[in-house]
Amino acid sequence: DIQLTQSPSTLSASIRDRVTITCRASQSVSRWLAWYQQKPGKAPKLLIYKASSLESGVPPRFSGSGSGTEFTLTISSLQPDDFATYYCQQYNTYPYTFGQGTKLEIK
Amino acid sequence: QVQVVESGGGVVQPGRSLRLSCATSGFPFSSYTMHWVRQAPGKGLEWVAVISYDGTNKDYSDSVRGRFTISRDKSKNTLYLQMSSLRPEDTAVYYCARWGGGPSSFDIWGQGTMVTVSS
Repeated sequence: DIQLTQSPSTLSASIRDRVTITCRASQSVSRWLAWYQQKPGKAPKLLIYKASSLESGVPPRFSGSGSGTEFTLTISSLQPDDFATYYCQQYNTYPYTFGQGTKLEIK
Repeated sequence: QVQVVESGGGVVQPGRSLRLSCATSGFPFSSYTMHWVRQAPGKGLEWVAVISYDGTNKDYSDSVRGRFTISRDKSKNTLYLQMSSLRPEDTAVYYCARWGGGPSSFDIWGQGTMVTVSS
């Protein structure tokens, strides 16, 4: 199985900060990587697919980059609604796998 | 609007069975591959199973293979997960998720249904 390792596991930041979350894969997933946002008690929400494509309706302050084994999710200017847990997910190979999550907290 | 709604969760004893349902609406169900994803309390997301748009292809995570069965009924626009020989480690919120197709990923998720396996 392909393992995804996110860093950091927890991130403290302030409104209007620029933050970056990294996702590293144990083997190449090409560009078949997605990012999700999850708030407590809610389902995950798709933000980014195919490494850098923004899902419809997602604010442009979210962006993704990378290929192969290293990927990043960047939020250009944090808004109050962005404090949540973020997961990466690979869909290059079954079983599809998720990173362990990055909790974004208010500093 | 496009939505998926899970049901069927509950408390069940180890070794027993349970069937989850996912009712869909607002999109052509028969055109989409569908998945189940679960999340144990306080933990991350774990992919469970997939079924192709026409039901001919299925796959499972190693942790549930041989115990869980995914199926779909196009006449009811409903996805199912039959869970047997349940274990305490199957305790989780189970989400139904639509595969967006093309380069996309899980683009539509339900609100989840909680399954607790406990004696």
